[in-house]
Amino acid sequence: GAVVSQHPSRVICKSGTSVKIECRSLDFQATTMFWYRQFPKQSLMLMATSNEGSKATYEQGVEKDKFLINHASLTLSTLTVTSAHPEDSSFYICSARDWRTGPGAQETQYFGPGTRLLVL
Amino acid sequence: QKEVEQNSGPLSVPEGAIASLNCTYSDRGSQSFFWYRQYSGKSPELIMSIYSNGDKEDGRFTAQLNKASQYVSLLIRDSQPSDSATYLCAVNKASNFGNEKLTFGTGTRLTIIP
Repeated sequence: GAVVSQHPSRVICKSGTSVKIECRSLDFQATTMFWYRQFPKQSLMLMATSNEGSKATYEQGVEKDKFLINHASLTLSTLTVTSAHPEDSSFYICSARDWRTGPGAQETQYFGPGTRLLVL
Repeated sequence: QKEVEQNSGPLSVPEGAIASLNCTYSDRGSQSFFWYRQYSGKSPELIMSIYSNGDKEDGRFTAQLNKASQYVSLLIRDSQPSDSATYLCAVNKASNFGNEKLTFGTGTRLTIIP
């Protein structure tokens, strides 16, 4: 199956600092990547859709100036949490859409391992 | 009405039995349906995808789709303790065409009892 990596896996930072999270598709090209956030015991909440070479599409209620997304290549998207605060502490997960042709490939999304952010 | 609904559980099933997980969705025009497994503290892992009415089998897993009833299910045969996890149902709504974002249910927590 398709492999998606995220870095870092865990980060602790002070309030007010910015944190960058990388999401890479390792064995396929992903024109679209998605960024999710998951709070404890809650389901995944889509934050934004990241399209290679264009601006990200943010979900309602997600501040685009706080969560900066860059998708500069077909294998890399980054999420920067700017001026992080304790309420931004969460599990951030990216996924990449695999559009490879062939029976059953279709538009399956594969998830990275996630980044656990703790803002002190 | 939630867009994708799942019973949060917990659902407890004896080892070796069949676990049945259910999901309903509200958008009648939805085209693609997925089941993901998420272990505690980990990210979701794709288990099954299904696009047409009927059953789709992959090893111990069977996905069932009934678009008329707006219902999708996942059966796990010969349940193992390692199947204990939260199972997320995800739907690609028709209104998302061109964007293809998934809408997730809140997940069903499954516990396999040895």
